[in-house]
Amino acid sequence: DQQVKQNSPSLSVQEGRISILNCDYTNSMFDYFLWYKKYPAEGPTFLISISSIKDKNEDGRFTVFLNKSAKHLSLHIVPSQPGDSAVYFCAASARNSGGSNYKLTFGKGTLLTVNP
Amino acid sequence: KAGVTQTPRYLIKTRGQQVTLSCSPISGHRSVSWYQQTPGQGLQFLFEYFSETQRNKGNFPGRFSGRQFSNSRSEMNVSTLELGDSALYLCASSSQGNHEQYFGPGTRLTVT
Repeated sequence: DQQVKQNSPSLSVQEGRISILNCDYTNSMFDYFLWYKKYPAEGPTFLISISSIKDKNEDGRFTVFLNKSAKHLSLHIVPSQPGDSAVYFCAASARNSGGSNYKLTFGKGTLLTVNP
Repeated sequence: KAGVTQTPRYLIKTRGQQVTLSCSPISGHRSVSWYQQTPGQGLQFLFEYFSETQRNKGNFPGRFSGRQFSNSRSEMNVSTLELGDSALYLCASSSQGNHEQYFGPGTRLTVT
C-alpha cells in the first residue's frame, strides 16, 4: 500500500515558467512533509519542508503548499531554471508514540525537465 | 560542515556473499537512517539508529542488519546476498528533534 503517491512520473516546463509538482498521501498520521531533489548517482538533497500545522512554506524560488483536508501537497518552483532538472521526491513522516519522527515514507518521484 | 559520507561508493558482490556498508553522519548528528532505492520500489526505509540503539525498522528480512557506534558512525550488513538486493543504499543523518534528514551519496551495490 503506497502511502505517499506522486502520480506524475515526469513533467516538462520551459525555463522561466512555473513548475508544479504534486503529491498525495493516505496516512492521516503524517504530520511533517518534505521535498527532496535528486540527481543521478547522488543522494537526495533536502529542499523544503512543511509542518501539518501550516498550509504554506516559502524558501526563495520554492514554495510548498499543504491541503490537509485533501491530503495533498504541492511544490511550486518559480521561475524554473535548467539546473532544476532532476527527480523530485515527496516524503512524509509521522510522529511515533515516543515523540520523535524517525522514518520517512517517500513517493516514487517525478522527473522534472526544464527546457532552455 | 562536512556532509554525510558513505563508503564504498560502488560494490560488486556475488550471490550468497555478505556485505558491510559504512556511513559517517554530519558532525553532531546522532540519528542515522538507512534506505534502499530500487527502480521498482523507490526509496524504502530500512532502519534508524540513535545513540547506538535501533529505534525503528522497516519491512526487510533479517538478512539486513545494522549497528551504530559511540561516535554515531553506522554500518549496515546484508548477509546471504540475493540478486534482488542490487540497489542504491542511502544513509541519512539528522539532529535530535529535527525532521529533516540529510543524505549521503549512497553505495551502489550490484549482486551478480
